Amino acid sequence: EVQLVESGGGLVQPGGSLRLSCAASGFTFSSYEMNWVRQAPGKGLEWVSYISSSGSTIYYADSVKGRFTISRDNAKNSLYLQMNSLRAEDTAVYYCAREAGPLGGWFDPWGQGTLVTVSS
Amino acid sequence: NFMLTQPHSVSESPGKTVTISCTRSSGSIASNYVQWYQQRPGSAPTTVIYEDNQRPSGVPDRFSGSIDSSSNSASLTISGLKTEDEADYYCQSYDSSKRVFGGGTKLTVL
Repeated sequence: EVQLVESGGGLVQPGGSLRLSCAASGFTFSSYEMNWVRQAPGKGLEWVSYISSSGSTIYYADSVKGRFTISRDNAKNSLYLQMNSLRAEDTAVYYCAREAGPLGGWFDPWGQGTLVTVSS
Repeated sequence: NFMLTQPHSVSESPGKTVTISCTRSSGSIASNYVQWYQQRPGSAPTTVIYEDNQRPSGVPDRFSGSIDSSSNSASLTISGLKTEDEADYYCQSYDSSKRVFGGGTKLTVL
């Protein structure tokens, strides 16, 4: 069974840092592109970042560029999101999602999400 | 960058058919595939339509997707509505370096 399990969420003060992890199982992680998507409380979905299967190509949403860093460790079947200079507007559930389809560009499956709360 | 615009909410009665639209602001809707995700409260999104009109296994054929180049929009149609279809629905597409979601549509089945 394909499974994605996020961890690392929690309460952090504005300006602080947090590192999210996503543990993948049930598929050959090193063959797939991966993404982070977030959802603020009561709001819609927002794509955050993409990383290619090798890690050589990375994209970010404008809202997080320069503050967040996506990375992966294929030996550990893990995806990461380092979040620095956190703001109140970064408060959200963060999902990791596998890129799907032969041409990519969409998400399936998704993890269950981890909540990040930025507040003093 | 482009945006995807969806109606905030739609409602319909059980057994009826509802269509949710998703309009692309710039660039052709046909240039990149459109997906639709269903999200129930407290759960992660799941795919109900991918690559414009394909259904994942396990998604009933009551769900269908289409695109219309003349209106530069995509549509999700759900026929024979059931109360279990009540959820938020998001369209999504992409370009070379961005993935873009619509704002989401709350479907109420009453």
